[in-house]
Amino acid sequence: DTGVSQDPRHKITKRGQNVTFRCDPISEHNRLYWYRQTLGQGPEFLTYFQNEAQLEKSRLLSDRFSAERPKGSFSTLEIQRTEQGDSAMYLCASSLFRGLGYEQYFGPGTRLTVT
Amino acid sequence: GESVGLHLPTLSVQEGDNSIINCAYSNSASDYFIWYKQESGKGPQFIIDIRSNMDKRQGQRVTVLLNKTVKHLSLQIAATQPGDSAVYFCAEFSGTYKYIFGTGTRLKVLA
Repeated sequence: DTGVSQDPRHKITKRGQNVTFRCDPISEHNRLYWYRQTLGQGPEFLTYFQNEAQLEKSRLLSDRFSAERPKGSFSTLEIQRTEQGDSAMYLCASSLFRGLGYEQYFGPGTRLTVT
Repeated sequence: GESVGLHLPTLSVQEGDNSIINCAYSNSASDYFIWYKQESGKGPQFIIDIRSNMDKRQGQRVTVLLNKTVKHLSLQIAATQPGDSAVYFCAEFSGTYKYIFGTGTRLKVLA
């Protein structure tokens, strides 16, 4: 169990540029989540995959955001035409039913700064 | 590193004392709960979980209590150490896949 990994850890980009983040979940976990977190807040749900199927997208996820999980393993989150309001920590998590419920584990996050 | 939760409720505890962090959850139908610890610049770390058919669960130095009547969770940390300083979040599992996070609490351990 190597944990959830995310890449890059930090990204600084200029407004209007596109960025893509990668998440590698824990290998046997079939559920994968993307969250956004800003200072002083808990993680806000963005989207959820079960295997390769994207089953829900939050209304927070504008048309500029797209996520994929093509083979049911790693996932990517792309933000097109970034805006300063997109600056946040983007967290990926994966989960699997074990013990009492769907234990969810987070990656270290990608800190995005849009200048 | 960056600071998580600049304006969060803060609990200051003397090193060696016990800490109690509280959380109110929103959905009476939620049946599974997780406590997370988040250190500055890092992702949330799973600490302990509990199911709705339980009142209490103990881990290593941590205990979670669940009061379904008032939709309240608490996390007790015994013999608080400097490494326990972080922001703590509770999450409720609502429906079939969604987690809802509560307002975090910053724990400061005083030497």
